[in-house]
Amino acid sequence: EADIYQTPRYLVIGTGKKITLECSQTMGHDKMYWYQQDPGMELHLIHYSYGVNSTEKGDLSSESTVSRIRTEHFPLTLESARPSHTSQYLCASSPGRVPYEQYFGPGTRLTVT
Amino acid sequence: QQQVKQSPQSLIVQKGGISIINCAYENTAFDYFPWYQQFPGKGPALLIAIRPDVSEKKEGRFTISFNKSAKQFSLHIMDSQPGDSATYFCAAINQAGTALIFGKGTTLSVSS
Repeated sequence: EADIYQTPRYLVIGTGKKITLECSQTMGHDKMYWYQQDPGMELHLIHYSYGVNSTEKGDLSSESTVSRIRTEHFPLTLESARPSHTSQYLCASSPGRVPYEQYFGPGTRLTVT
Repeated sequence: QQQVKQSPQSLIVQKGGISIINCAYENTAFDYFPWYQQFPGKGPALLIAIRPDVSEKKEGRFTISFNKSAKQFSLHIMDSQPGDSATYFCAAINQAGTALIFGKGTTLSVSS
């Protein structure tokens, strides 16, 4: 079992609130990713990082932001949550040069009312 | 446009049968092609991956077949078991080599 953690697992929050989804890994991986996944659907990459102080936007446009101040920590922030942000957010990390091997956390299911 | 097309969307197989899921890639990197398995309430987990310089890779009951000319790869699950019931995603690496592009997923149900 991979050592990658996400909190909270479930979050129900009102429109306009600021939220931060936490992701931590203890494997020392440099590469980390955030995906958005609607139930039963494909994963869409929204952010990735190659290491400390490195962040890039993914293929799916997102109003969220990320930071990478420490290798093990890759939080995602929504400044003002909206119902359209309702989804599952998955964090992953990768050890190698080629990103085919990724370890995923259990996800945060976000509902914005 | 870089994409991975996966079929079928859902699959029902009897216990002991063979499950087959197909994927086709377009405009992606010609590099590793992984399959991920996801159970409800969990994140996906790497199941098996194949390098494009081989035509087949087998790990236990799971086999990936790769067809370079057709730009297709498939997952075969032999002797399917109820515990294999999950959603399976194929993926390819994007052209920049920075991330994975996932297929839409196949929900497999193995009936006992």
